[in-house]
Amino acid sequence: GEDVEQSLFLSVREGDSSVINCTYTDSSSTYLYWYKQEPGAGLQLLTYIFSNMDMKQDQRLTVLLNKKDKHLSLRIADTQTGDSAIYFCAESSGSSNTGKLIFGQGTTLQVKP
Amino acid sequence: DTEVTQTPKHLVMGMTNKKSLKCEQHMGHRAMYWYKQKAKKPPELMFVYSYEKLSINESVPSRFSPECPNSSLLNLHLHALQPEDSALYLCASSQVTGPYEQYFGPGTRLTVT
Repeated sequence: GEDVEQSLFLSVREGDSSVINCTYTDSSSTYLYWYKQEPGAGLQLLTYIFSNMDMKQDQRLTVLLNKKDKHLSLRIADTQTGDSAIYFCAESSGSSNTGKLIFGQGTTLQVKP
Repeated sequence: DTEVTQTPKHLVMGMTNKKSLKCEQHMGHRAMYWYKQKAKKPPELMFVYSYEKLSINESVPSRFSPECPNSSLLNLHLHALQPEDSALYLCASSQVTGPYEQYFGPGTRLTVT
């Protein structure tokens, strides 16, 4: 079945780059998303990428997609303490139109001053 | 504007109470979703509404009863809940069902005593 996996924890120093990785199994995935969740808050859509793209850049965020390896990454440049949060990777299956998202377990990003 | 609002922010209820959670969006979206999220876990889909009709029920117990009175509003009626139902309840919306971005509300933190 469909599955999305992420490493659980990443710690970086303020000002460094952060790279959060995600792998997925559904080869029919059409959209892949990155959501950010701060403590006690809802999910904030950070960015998304179509499966026919290799890369998408939006200010400090760069998403890389390797469709052959089913690997997605989110790079945050110049990481700030305000970037500390849980980051969820999610895929939307292209084989159905249900709107169901498959989420990874989430990566907790800790930014040390 | 990509805002989804939810009320109340916090709710404490006894196992014999009846309460309702409310969600609203004014983006013209025709798909709305309820998710349940336990601490440190990804959101779990509960219900999907498409054009005000229930399209997905992920085998949710009948003590949770969704309602979509119009295209902007989504309710979740709660009755005879159990302590294990304590969680963050998130509402989301998207343009329509399918591979479209979902925008989440801030959630209702529910505690069942």
